[in-house]
Amino acid sequence: AQTVTQSQPEMSVQEAETVTLSCTYDTSESNYYLFWYKQPPSRQMILVIRQEAYKQQNATENRFSVNFQKAAKSFSLKISDSQLGDTAMYFCAFRTGNNRKLIWGLGTSLAVNP
Amino acid sequence: DVKVTQSSRYLVKRTGEKVFLECVQDMDHENMFWYRQDPGLGLRLIYFSYDVKMKEKGDIPEGYSVSREKKERFSLILESASTNQTSMYLCASSLWTGGFNQPQHFGDGTRLSIL
Repeated sequence: AQTVTQSQPEMSVQEAETVTLSCTYDTSESNYYLFWYKQPPSRQMILVIRQEAYKQQNATENRFSVNFQKAAKSFSLKISDSQLGDTAMYFCAFRTGNNRKLIWGLGTSLAVNP
Repeated sequence: DVKVTQSSRYLVKRTGEKVFLECVQDMDHENMFWYRQDPGLGLRLIYFSYDVKMKEKGDIPEGYSVSREKKERFSLILESASTNQTSMYLCASSLWTGGFNQPQHFGDGTRLSIL
């Protein structure tokens, strides 16, 4: 079965510091796509960053970057210079090959403290 | 930007009522999805659709049905609402022809309470 595990249900970080959210996944497929989504309190779920499994270079979007370790099936999210607006639930998800559905983790609730 | 619009932000219904949740997207996406989100359970897929009049069951379809008569609109129907269907419902859409790395785009969600 294909699964996503986010081992940290809750995390907190001080403003301006760096935090890493972990995500591991399990699939026997070689072609897949990985995503991190952010859901702020009472607000819309939005895409943070995505990575194609065939690309070795880690994706980066401004203060957000990933550490993709394909052999370990790990896809962690690093948030640099954390801001109060980063307070949210973060979900890791992936999709294999031509599958239309995403497989989701249960999420990590991140609190950024002033 | 993609816009996914859910008809209601908050909805209160009675047990046994037939409930309709509507979702409209404006980007000609092939795929549309209905999820429910409960604390500690993450997002669970109820149904999805990959074309007009086409649908597939997700992980928790029991007690729900869907309708997709037009490409831009995907409706979730609770045939006879029960209190255990009180939840946050999220609609999403995604492009299929643009490549497999296309993300899902979400609406604001509907918080449904069944009394």
